Amino acid sequence: QQPVQSPQAVILREGEDAVINCSSSKALYSVHWYRQKHGEAPVFLMILLKGGEQKGHEKISASFNEKKQQSSLYLTASQLSYSGTYFCGTSSAYGGSQGNLIFGKGTKLSVKP
Amino acid sequence: NAGVTQTPKFRILKIGQSMTLQCTQDMNHNYMYWYRQDPGMGLKLIYYSVGAGITDKGEVPNGYNVSRSTTEDFPLRLELAAPSQTSVYFCASSRLAGGIRTYEQYFGPGTRLTVT
Repeated sequence: QQPVQSPQAVILREGEDAVINCSSSKALYSVHWYRQKHGEAPVFLMILLKGGEQKGHEKISASFNEKKQQSSLYLTASQLSYSGTYFCGTSSAYGGSQGNLIFGKGTKLSVKP
Repeated sequence: NAGVTQTPKFRILKIGQSMTLQCTQDMNHNYMYWYRQDPGMGLKLIYYSVGAGITDKGEVPNGYNVSRSTTEDFPLRLELAAPSQTSVYFCASSRLAGGIRTYEQYFGPGTRLTVT
């Protein structure tokens, strides 16, 4: 099942913070976060694994609540360069077809000066 | 390092025509993927490959075919193109380390395909 992202869109002023949520109905093994700018390819930001291992990127951090099958992406002191669409991708296992990512529909973030 | 490259960047097909989307990666990654992206729908997995000679279906494989004869190349074949295949197609790759396929995916620049 496709994970559900919220909000669908958010508009920020430079320097403001934002939280993007990703929720799944299935037990998760990993959550990936990607950012895609208009007309470009998605770019990796963050991966969170069951058991707590985490990788980060610049001023962006994330959490993974395994019991609730939820992940949140935190963007602090937003910059104009943060604008884009953020996707979470989830997998329910580390191998086989269940190791493939299922992506949410995305959250469009716009940062204004 | 070019990363993941895709050709062509744009293509217009007539209904019923066929074409091959090319994808090449120079990072020696085991895993390769083909996704399609429709507006507001996220990325849907079409096919994936765990290594040369091994491919498998993803969520939306109908109307497509793949092959992987080398580690570097993973072409996607569209037979009998239909308007429903109008989309942006992304190829991606990732590595396998220690038996764990949890590493980030690197995406190519995409192919924008229109079928009319």
